[in-house]
Amino acid sequence: KNEVEQSPQNLTAQEGEFITINCSYSVGISALHWLQQHPGGGIVSLFMLSSGKKKHGRLIATINIQEKHSSLHITASHPRDSAVYICAVGREYGNKLVFGAGTILRVKS
Amino acid sequence: GAVVSQHPSRVICKSGTSVKIECRSLDFQATTMFWYRQFPKQSLMLMATSNEGSKATYEQGVEKDKFLINHASLTLSTLTVTSAHPEDSSFYICSARDLGANHNEQFFGPGTRLTVL
Repeated sequence: KNEVEQSPQNLTAQEGEFITINCSYSVGISALHWLQQHPGGGIVSLFMLSSGKKKHGRLIATINIQEKHSSLHITASHPRDSAVYICAVGREYGNKLVFGAGTILRVKS
Repeated sequence: GAVVSQHPSRVICKSGTSVKIECRSLDFQATTMFWYRQFPKQSLMLMATSNEGSKATYEQGVEKDKFLINHASLTLSTLTVTSAHPEDSSFYICSARDLGANHNEQFFGPGTRLTVL
């Protein structure tokens, strides 16, 4: 079993829909990261969180440490949100990130 | 937010040549930089951890003599793919930890796409 599991693997949504991407992990972590990767390849760090909830524009990230689960929500989705969203956890000890397989999101207009 | 740059963004080379990729933190100091490789439709895989002023730590299965890492300053790490072969063709991404801020936060470079003919 992978240490970081994401679901769904693929997601197609209609413009304007509310989107949720889930991430579960099985190791002790210092922080959880949500990353966005566009088709060109470059990676943008969306959130880093270790507890609670963070919001940036239409994006919301939550984490439940007890349940070892995090969600990334996109409100009022738009075609430009189409990308791969990657969950990564920083191990409790050490610097390394462990990555989920990613969720491919396509938002249709 | 903090900015990490990579150069070049894209490189095509012949088999047997060496390629150097630079990773720079533009507005912060990074004692630690990470090098990742990503094959098509796969997630990132950590290759090595680069520490300023000391030897890099390589992940299991990554040849240190093939992927030379130099972290000569707090803002620059380089990855040199020596005697590149077609199977080294991949997307190489670096990230850097901000020394002055939250030590858990990593900032990613835009990546370098290497194609070996």
